[in-house]
Amino acid sequence: AQKITQTQPGMFVQEKEAVTLDCTYDTSDQSYGLFWYKQPSSGEMIFLIYQGSYDEQNATEGRYSLNFQKARKSANLVISASQLGDSAMYFCAMREGGKVDGNEKLTFGTGTRLTIIP
Amino acid sequence: DADVTQTPRNRITKTGKRIMLECSQTKGHDRMYWYRQDPGLGLRLIYYSFDVKDINKGEISDGYSVSRQAQAKFSLSLESAIPNQTALYFCATQPRDSSYNEQFFGPGTRLTVL
Repeated sequence: AQKITQTQPGMFVQEKEAVTLDCTYDTSDQSYGLFWYKQPSSGEMIFLIYQGSYDEQNATEGRYSLNFQKARKSANLVISASQLGDSAMYFCAMREGGKVDGNEKLTFGTGTRLTIIP
Repeated sequence: DADVTQTPRNRITKTGKRIMLECSQTKGHDRMYWYRQDPGLGLRLIYYSFDVKDINKGEISDGYSVSRQAQAKFSLSLESAIPNQTALYFCATQPRDSSYNEQFFGPGTRLTVL
């Protein structure tokens, strides 16, 4: 079974609108972390936001927020007021286990290509 | 200057050739990783190292080997390259003590095996 599932291969969104990128995950660990990375056409991987499994509040970083629904095993990325520069591939990733127990590998989803339309 | 560098950035090689991809970092991080990215498959872990004396296989290590020459250097080798190893390769680093376990990625090496 896939540990990280991103069901939207591609999305088109009008500039200035909000966009939600879906991510569901599968783990039996109680302690885990969820990440979103952005990959623009230039190819580099840019860290956007992190959510820990024990964090009670949804993570926010500027225009990015993570809609964390633990019971549904969902960690959707919300981008508010989209901009042309948001056009990129977006990857959801998961670290299983606590950050002190040595399991520090990330598992990535297959990504969503977001295109912002002027 | 970039904190995580990869050389070469682009490489075209022929089937059967040995090739080495190099990664260097100035971040002082203990953990280093090699991933490959294929269209539609996301990033998959090849090898990882938690310190100079520690090397671990990832999800797709067959056909690859690594060397951790120093804390700052982690090299990936393809002993006999084959066309299905054509991909974008990323090196990443991570500090031992991190609030997030965030990984910091290099710019990538685009490898084509003919």
